[in-house]
Amino acid sequence: GAVVSQHPSRVICKSGTSVKIECRSLDFQATTMFWYRQFPKQSLMLMATSNEGSKATYEQGVEKDKFLINHASLTLSTLTVTSAHPEDSSFYICSARESHLNTEAFFGQGTRLTVV
Amino acid sequence: GENVEQHPSTLSVQEGDSAVIKCTYSDSASNYFPWYKQELGKRPQLIIDIRSNVGEKKDQRIAVTLNKTAKHFSPHITETQPEDSAVYFCAATPNSGGSNYKLTFGKGTLLTVNP
Repeated sequence: GAVVSQHPSRVICKSGTSVKIECRSLDFQATTMFWYRQFPKQSLMLMATSNEGSKATYEQGVEKDKFLINHASLTLSTLTVTSAHPEDSSFYICSARESHLNTEAFFGQGTRLTVV
Repeated sequence: GENVEQHPSTLSVQEGDSAVIKCTYSDSASNYFPWYKQELGKRPQLIIDIRSNVGEKKDQRIAVTLNKTAKHFSPHITETQPEDSAVYFCAATPNSGGSNYKLTFGKGTLLTVNP
Protein backbone atom coordinates (compact mmCIF):
# COMPACT_ATOMS: atom_id res chain seq x y z
CA GLY A 1 0.00 0.00 0.00
CA ALA A 2 0.88 3.67 -0.17
CA VAL A 3 3.09 5.22 2.49
CA VAL A 4 2.30 8.21 4.67
CA SER A 5 5.10 9.51 6.85
CA GLN A 6 4.47 11.69 9.88
CA HIS A 7 7.11 13.61 11.81
CA PRO A 8 7.98 13.91 14.62
CA SER A 9 6.80 10.74 16.31
CA ARG A 10 7.16 12.27 19.75
CA VAL A 11 7.49 15.83 20.95
CA ILE A 12 7.55 17.50 24.34
CA CYS A 13 7.03 21.24 24.51
CA LYS A 14 6.47 23.90 27.12
CA SER A 15 3.11 25.56 27.67
CA GLY A 16 2.65 28.56 25.45
CA THR A 17 4.93 27.38 22.67
CA SER A 18 3.95 26.14 19.21
CA VAL A 19 4.58 22.75 17.68
CA LYS A 20 4.52 21.81 14.00
CA ILE A 21 3.69 18.29 12.82
CA GLU A 22 4.36 17.22 9.23
CA CYS A 23 2.48 14.65 7.19
CA ARG A 24 3.92 13.49 3.89
CA SER A 25 2.64 11.12 1.26
CA LEU A 26 5.83 9.45 0.02
CA ASP A 27 4.75 7.65 -3.12
CA PHE A 28 1.49 9.21 -4.17
CA GLN A 29 -0.20 12.57 -4.48
CA ALA A 30 -2.72 13.35 -1.80
CA THR A 31 -5.20 16.00 -2.76
CA THR A 32 -6.89 15.59 0.60
CA MET A 33 -5.38 14.84 3.98
CA PHE A 34 -7.13 14.42 7.29
CA TRP A 35 -5.97 15.27 10.78
CA TYR A 36 -7.19 13.29 13.79
CA ARG A 37 -6.68 13.57 17.52
CA GLN A 38 -6.84 10.57 19.81
CA PHE A 39 -6.93 10.79 23.59
CA PRO A 40 -5.97 7.74 25.68
CA LYS A 41 -8.43 4.87 25.38
CA GLN A 42 -10.62 6.85 23.01
CA SER A 43 -11.38 6.78 19.32
CA LEU A 44 -9.92 8.87 16.54
CA MET A 45 -11.71 12.19 16.30
CA LEU A 46 -11.48 14.10 13.05
CA MET A 47 -10.15 17.61 13.59
CA ALA A 48 -10.00 18.93 10.06
CA THR A 49 -9.84 18.10 6.39
CA SER A 50 -6.92 19.59 4.52
CA ASN A 51 -7.20 20.28 0.80
CA GLU A 52 -4.19 21.20 -1.30
CA GLY A 53 -4.20 24.84 -2.24
CA SER A 54 -7.22 25.84 -0.19
CA LYS A 55 -8.25 26.47 3.38
CA ALA A 56 -8.81 23.54 5.67
CA THR A 57 -12.29 22.54 6.76
CA TYR A 58 -12.51 22.23 10.53
CA GLU A 59 -14.90 20.03 12.47
CA GLN A 60 -17.27 21.60 14.93
CA GLY A 61 -15.57 22.54 18.17
CA VAL A 62 -12.04 22.62 16.74
CA GLU A 63 -10.40 26.05 16.98
CA LYS A 64 -8.97 26.97 13.60
CA ASP A 65 -6.77 29.67 15.07
CA LYS A 66 -5.23 27.21 17.49
CA PHE A 67 -4.72 24.33 15.09
CA LEU A 68 -3.26 25.81 11.94
CA ILE A 69 -3.27 23.57 8.90
CA ASN A 70 -1.31 24.17 5.74
CA HIS A 71 -1.48 21.94 2.67
CA ALA A 72 0.91 23.69 0.34
CA SER A 73 1.70 20.77 -1.94
CA LEU A 74 0.18 17.48 -3.04
CA THR A 75 2.54 15.57 -0.76
CA LEU A 76 2.74 17.67 2.39
CA SER A 77 0.31 18.89 5.00
CA THR A 78 1.31 20.45 8.30
CA LEU A 79 -0.54 20.90 11.57
CA THR A 80 0.71 23.59 13.94
CA VAL A 81 -0.56 23.57 17.50
CA THR A 82 -0.22 27.17 18.62
CA SER A 83 0.11 28.33 22.22
CA ALA A 84 0.00 24.75 23.40
CA HIS A 85 -1.46 23.88 26.80
CA PRO A 86 -1.33 20.63 28.77
CA GLU A 87 -4.86 19.76 27.64
CA ASP A 88 -3.57 19.67 24.06
CA SER A 89 -1.43 16.69 24.98
CA SER A 90 -2.66 13.88 22.76
CA PHE A 91 -1.86 11.52 19.90
CA TYR A 92 -2.23 13.30 16.55
CA ILE A 93 -2.56 11.22 13.38
CA CYS A 94 -2.84 12.22 9.76
CA SER A 95 -4.24 10.20 6.89
CA ALA A 96 -4.41 10.59 3.13
CA ARG A 97 -6.08 9.07 0.14
CA GLU A 98 -4.59 8.61 -3.30
CA SER A 99 -7.39 10.15 -5.28
CA HIS A 100 -10.85 11.61 -5.15
CA LEU A 101 -12.28 8.11 -5.05
CA ASN A 102 -13.73 6.62 -1.89
CA THR A 103 -10.82 4.27 -1.31
CA GLU A 104 -8.52 3.09 1.44
CA ALA A 105 -7.06 5.79 3.67
CA PHE A 106 -3.40 5.51 4.64
CA PHE A 107 -2.29 6.69 8.05
CA GLY A 108 0.85 8.32 9.32
CA GLN A 109 2.67 6.88 12.33
CA GLY A 110 1.15 9.44 14.65
CA THR A 111 2.71 12.10 16.86
CA ARG A 112 2.62 11.87 20.62
CA LEU A 113 2.48 15.47 21.87
CA THR A 114 3.14 16.19 25.53
CA VAL A 115 2.79 19.74 26.77
CA VAL A 116 4.45 20.44 30.11
CA GLY B 1 -23.28 13.81 9.82
CA GLU B 2 -22.40 10.16 10.08
CA ASN B 3 -22.45 8.36 13.44
CA VAL B 4 -20.93 4.92 13.94
CA GLU B 5 -21.89 2.81 16.93
CA GLN B 6 -19.77 -0.19 17.87
CA HIS B 7 -20.36 -3.03 20.33
CA PRO B 8 -19.05 -4.46 22.52
CA SER B 9 -16.53 -1.98 23.93
CA THR B 10 -14.50 -4.84 25.40
CA LEU B 11 -14.35 -8.46 24.32
CA SER B 12 -12.40 -11.29 25.88
CA VAL B 13 -12.17 -14.65 24.12
CA GLN B 14 -10.18 -17.83 24.42
CA GLU B 15 -7.56 -18.57 21.82
CA GLY B 16 -9.15 -20.38 18.91
CA ASP B 17 -12.61 -18.92 19.46
CA SER B 18 -14.24 -16.34 17.19
CA ALA B 19 -14.53 -12.65 17.97
CA VAL B 20 -17.52 -10.81 16.55
CA ILE B 21 -18.08 -7.07 16.57
CA LYS B 22 -21.27 -5.29 15.60
CA CYS B 23 -21.24 -1.87 14.00
CA THR B 24 -24.13 0.35 12.98
CA TYR B 25 -24.06 3.55 10.98
CA SER B 26 -26.57 6.32 10.57
CA ASP B 27 -25.97 7.80 7.13
CA SER B 28 -27.63 5.77 4.38
CA ALA B 29 -25.30 7.49 1.91
CA SER B 30 -22.26 5.73 3.38
CA ASN B 31 -20.89 3.09 1.07
CA TYR B 32 -17.39 2.24 2.28
CA PHE B 33 -16.79 0.46 5.60
CA PRO B 34 -13.23 -0.24 6.70
CA TRP B 35 -12.23 -2.03 9.88
CA TYR B 36 -8.99 -1.13 11.62
CA LYS B 37 -6.72 -2.73 14.18
CA GLN B 38 -4.73 -0.39 16.38
CA GLU B 39 -2.01 -1.45 18.75
CA LEU B 40 -0.99 0.85 21.58
CA GLY B 41 0.80 3.94 20.30
CA LYS B 42 0.65 2.78 16.69
CA ARG B 43 -1.24 3.89 13.59
CA PRO B 44 -4.52 2.19 12.64
CA GLN B 45 -3.95 -0.78 10.36
CA LEU B 46 -6.60 -1.72 7.80
CA ILE B 47 -7.81 -5.26 8.48
CA ILE B 48 -10.61 -5.54 5.98
CA ASP B 49 -13.01 -3.26 4.16
CA ILE B 50 -16.32 -3.71 2.38
CA ARG B 51 -18.40 -1.66 0.01
CA SER B 52 -22.15 -1.34 -0.03
CA ASN B 53 -22.54 -3.30 -3.25
CA VAL B 54 -21.17 -6.42 -1.52
CA GLY B 55 -22.83 -8.40 1.25
CA GLU B 56 -19.85 -10.31 2.55
CA LYS B 57 -16.10 -10.33 2.24
CA LYS B 58 -13.52 -12.72 3.60
CA ASP B 59 -9.75 -12.70 3.85
CA GLN B 60 -8.35 -15.78 5.59
CA ARG B 61 -9.40 -15.51 9.26
CA ILE B 62 -11.03 -12.11 8.84
CA ALA B 63 -14.52 -11.61 7.43
CA VAL B 64 -17.18 -8.92 7.39
CA THR B 65 -20.87 -9.00 6.54
CA LEU B 66 -22.89 -5.96 5.57
CA ASN B 67 -26.63 -5.38 5.83
CA LYS B 68 -27.23 -2.15 3.98
CA THR B 69 -30.96 -2.12 4.70
CA ALA B 70 -30.40 -2.33 8.43
CA LYS B 71 -27.30 -0.12 8.21
CA HIS B 72 -25.05 -2.44 10.10
CA PHE B 73 -21.94 -4.45 9.41
CA SER B 74 -20.23 -7.09 11.45
CA PRO B 75 -16.52 -7.79 11.22
CA HIS B 76 -15.22 -10.92 12.85
CA ILE B 77 -12.07 -12.92 13.40
CA THR B 78 -12.09 -16.71 13.47
CA GLU B 79 -9.52 -18.94 15.16
CA THR B 80 -8.27 -16.04 17.25
CA GLN B 81 -4.66 -15.87 18.36
CA PRO B 82 -3.05 -13.90 21.22
CA GLU B 83 -1.47 -11.54 18.69
CA ASP B 84 -4.96 -10.51 17.61
CA SER B 85 -5.28 -8.68 20.93
CA ALA B 86 -5.65 -4.95 20.17
CA VAL B 87 -8.26 -2.23 19.80
CA TYR B 88 -10.44 -2.54 16.71
CA PHE B 89 -12.36 0.32 15.12
CA CYS B 90 -15.28 0.25 12.72
CA ALA B 91 -15.53 3.19 10.35
CA ALA B 92 -17.79 4.49 7.61
CA THR B 93 -17.44 6.92 4.74
CA PRO B 94 -20.28 8.55 2.83
CA ASN B 95 -20.25 8.34 -0.92
CA SER B 96 -20.13 12.06 -1.35
CA GLY B 97 -17.23 13.91 -2.90
CA GLY B 98 -18.41 17.00 -1.13
CA SER B 99 -17.52 15.39 2.19
CA ASN B 100 -14.04 14.53 0.93
CA TYR B 101 -14.92 10.96 1.88
CA LYS B 102 -13.97 11.59 5.49
CA LEU B 103 -13.95 8.61 7.82
CA THR B 104 -16.13 8.48 10.91
CA PHE B 105 -14.91 6.02 13.52
CA GLY B 106 -16.73 3.99 16.12
CA LYS B 107 -15.53 4.14 19.71
CA GLY B 108 -13.53 0.96 19.43
CA THR B 109 -13.50 -2.57 20.84
CA LEU B 110 -10.69 -3.76 23.07
CA LEU B 111 -10.15 -7.39 22.13
CA THR B 112 -8.21 -9.65 24.46
CA VAL B 113 -7.38 -13.16 23.32
CA ASN B 114 -6.44 -15.38 26.24
CA PRO B 115 -3.95 -18.19 25.57
